[in-house]
Amino acid sequence: GQNIDQPTEMTATEGAIVQINCTYQTSGFNGLFWYQQHAGEAPTFLSYNVLDGLEEKGRFSSFLSRSKGYSYLLLKELQMKDSASYLCAVMDSNYQLIWGAGTKLIIKP
Amino acid sequence: GAVVSQHPSWVICKSGTSVKIECRSLDFQATTMFWYRQFPKQSLMLMATSNEGSKATYEQGVEKDKFLINHASLTLSTLTVTSAHPEDSSFYICSATLYRDSYNEQFFGPGTRLTVL
Repeated sequence: GQNIDQPTEMTATEGAIVQINCTYQTSGFNGLFWYQQHAGEAPTFLSYNVLDGLEEKGRFSSFLSRSKGYSYLLLKELQMKDSASYLCAVMDSNYQLIWGAGTKLIIKP
Repeated sequence: GAVVSQHPSWVICKSGTSVKIECRSLDFQATTMFWYRQFPKQSLMLMATSNEGSKATYEQGVEKDKFLINHASLTLSTLTVTSAHPEDSSFYICSATLYRDSYNEQFFGPGTRLTVL
């Protein structure tokens, strides 16, 4: 079966760095996405990785290792507005997104 | 660019009525749109894939006669929840696919919160 695993909840301090991990087992791989979702809102796109390595975009970076079925989202200089759920999703061989359950990130002052 | 709208944003209806939700890609054409449902504190659950000009493909466990999907044009897909019941109360989100050079990116609408009394 297809499976995406990520921690349910994480807590971090404002100004700090946090890494959210995602492991996956899917039928085929056409890229991994990270989305941010604030409560009551739709997800917004953060990053896309299809090749191994690190993609940096401002305060957010995303890493992929296809051989390990592993990705992480790195958030630097945390701000209170970063409190949200972070969803990991893998596009499978049918070009459908398989979603993780999301990681709720709580930022404390 | 790549904006997706949904209408209505929220709706409250009585049990047994039907509710139509519209999903529009405002500045691009979307051959494929997806409909998701999200219950509180849970992740997105794909309900169906909507393809312009053809029948929607429903995920296992989703009743196609209850959740009617019509993708009439390259910019509009509609989801009709027929004979809605309280258990259908949820957050419904659509997304539209934009094909980029190296990957397909999904852009999400703002969602529709449905409450069935």
